[in-house]
Amino acid sequence: AQSVTQLDSHVSVSEGTPVLLRCNYSSSYSPSLFWYVQHPNKGLQLLLKYTSAATLVKGINGFEAEFKKSETSFHLTKPSAHMSDAAEYFCVVNSGNTGKLIFGQGTTLQVKP
Amino acid sequence: DAGVIQSPRHEVTEMGQEVTLRCKPISGHDYLFWYRQTMMRGLELLIYFNNNVPIDDSGMPEDRFSAKMPNASFSTLKIQPSEPRDSAVYFCASSPGRDWGYTFGSGTRLTVV
Repeated sequence: AQSVTQLDSHVSVSEGTPVLLRCNYSSSYSPSLFWYVQHPNKGLQLLLKYTSAATLVKGINGFEAEFKKSETSFHLTKPSAHMSDAAEYFCVVNSGNTGKLIFGQGTTLQVKP
Repeated sequence: DAGVIQSPRHEVTEMGQEVTLRCKPISGHDYLFWYRQTMMRGLELLIYFNNNVPIDDSGMPEDRFSAKMPNASFSTLKIQPSEPRDSAVYFCASSPGRDWGYTFGSGTRLTVV
């Protein structure tokens, strides 16, 4: 069965410093992986997706993620945090051929001035 | 495209009343999903449709919840009778296929008093 584990429920960084949000996945076949962001009182927005093309995926707002099969990881990074990056981030894997996605529990990113 | 459209944005109702939430998916998307989000339980998949047919409703909490998709451009989630523990944000999402990710609506914030 497919699953994702977000290793940190809360991450705090200072503005201008790098961001690392960690995600490990479990899949019995080559997965599709996604990162979503949810700002307070808003819906979820797709940041980026990996679908077996390039292992380094670039998304919106300067975020990127690297698919590492050997480590079963799909960590989200950004070189320099901005105050507007403060939000909840979800790592997501597809569930077989069903079209259904499996969401992680989320990581809250706090950005301090 | 206007994206996934949900209505109403906010709903306040009294316990025991019927509540109907509405969703218009993106044209051409074959999959439609209903999620519920609370602080305690996070994001929960309630039900999803493929080509207007319910595929998996195992997440529907109980018989008080029902969902329909009479055509490709409209879906409803109904709660009858509503209870205070149903208070949550309900999201609708649509997708063209399993590797594409979802597009979420802005959600309906339901408060049952």
